[in-house]
Amino acid sequence: NAGVTQTPKFQVLKTGQSMTLQCAQDMNHEYMSWYRQDPGMGLRLIHYSVGAGITDQGEVPNGYNVSRSTTEDFPLRLLSAAPSQTSVYFCASSYRAGGQETQYFGPGTRLLVL
Amino acid sequence: AQTVTQSQPEMSVQEAETVTLSCTYDTSESDYYLFWYKQPPSRQMILVIRQEAYKQQNATENRFSVNFQKAAKSFSLKISDSQLGDAAMYFCAPPRGSQGNLIFGKGTKLSVKP
Repeated sequence: NAGVTQTPKFQVLKTGQSMTLQCAQDMNHEYMSWYRQDPGMGLRLIHYSVGAGITDQGEVPNGYNVSRSTTEDFPLRLLSAAPSQTSVYFCASSYRAGGQETQYFGPGTRLLVL
Repeated sequence: AQTVTQSQPEMSVQEAETVTLSCTYDTSESDYYLFWYKQPPSRQMILVIRQEAYKQQNATENRFSVNFQKAAKSFSLKISDSQLGDAAMYFCAPPRGSQGNLIFGKGTKLSVKP
């Protein structure tokens, strides 16, 4: 099993550009989530999904969109990148909701918005 | 609102010694899980240990154990026989709301001296 994979590993964007961060898991997990990690802030939940077709907002959802068309994939879209979105982004998955099960994290995507 | 406090931004321990990392949290849930995650310099998030709140017995995992005080909402991590590979950021993660998500603390950076 590859576990949770994320692409790209590193990306530089200009303010106003859009992009999609990819996340995929091959463990047949129902629950998937996106976090951002800023220095001194720990991980903050952006969006999460409890199954295909179901998504909901987390703690810091503004500026991000998600969709879940399949169990395996959970892409995160930045519609119009801003410097405040410079961060490290982690995707995670678990069999059930992340508060009940061990979450498996991807390696992270480092995003720099100029 | 759910909160989590890791009051020690940095800790240092001598190799082979024991260190305890503290965590306090606030939740209105009665049945929940608590987690400690480790993040080494590689940035990969790795589960260290999990505690189920309804269990009175403290969880242990090899050299790692917790001191869980449910009434006090305290969840500390004890690392025995510290090894150089234990050097990392450690994040406490209690429940965030009733949707099955987690909230992460700001982390404690652990250094291990040879």
